[in-house]
Amino acid sequence: SQQGEEDPQALSIQEGENATMNCSYKTSINNLQWYRQNSGRGLVHLILIRSNEREKHSGRLRVTLDTSKKSSSLLITASRAADTASYFCATDAGWGKLQFGAGTQVVVTP
Amino acid sequence: EPEVTQTPSHQVTQMGQEVILRCVPISNHLYFYWYRQILGQKVEFLVSFYNNEISEKSEIFDDQFSVERPDGSNFTLKIRSTKLEDSAMYFCASSVGQGGSPLHFGNGTRLTVT
Repeated sequence: SQQGEEDPQALSIQEGENATMNCSYKTSINNLQWYRQNSGRGLVHLILIRSNEREKHSGRLRVTLDTSKKSSSLLITASRAADTASYFCATDAGWGKLQFGAGTQVVVTP
Repeated sequence: EPEVTQTPSHQVTQMGQEVILRCVPISNHLYFYWYRQILGQKVEFLVSFYNNEISEKSEIFDDQFSVERPDGSNFTLKIRSTKLEDSAMYFCASSVGQGGSPLHFGNGTRLTVT
């Protein structure tokens, strides 16, 4: 089964606007993580939310988790050109074996 | 900030050749992983490694693949006889713990099999 499907596939916004992307998954999870990938680079961990948490903040990032709907959202507030990247959610069933989605490509224009 | 380093950044090899991809995980991390990303596709889990043993592997990680921690710092992925479909970006990652610890990824090795 596929896990961690992001929506939308692509998002284009202007600096200062908020960017919201969603992730749906199918099976039980221990935690859900969000990563960022700049073109040609590795994945950078952004935030981890455990299955018993509903919301988490880190700087300009806000993540929510709804285990009843098997969905999560990532909000980037006051976006900057440097936020241009692909964003992936990844589900972790508990053993560090992450299942990634296809990602949301975010383009922030100045 | 400590980081995971991978070498080489790009490896070109002919079909049927053996390749070894190298990684230096973060020094106090105990769990090590290899993932791969075929161009335009999702990042896929290959294998996790702990205490000098494979703890989990995916269906992709068949007999052509092996991992090793030859010393206290390196973690390697060997592909015995490369196929065209092995062409991908290979990412090494490490974590302090499992089941709730974020993974720290290297910048990857782009493997091109011709």
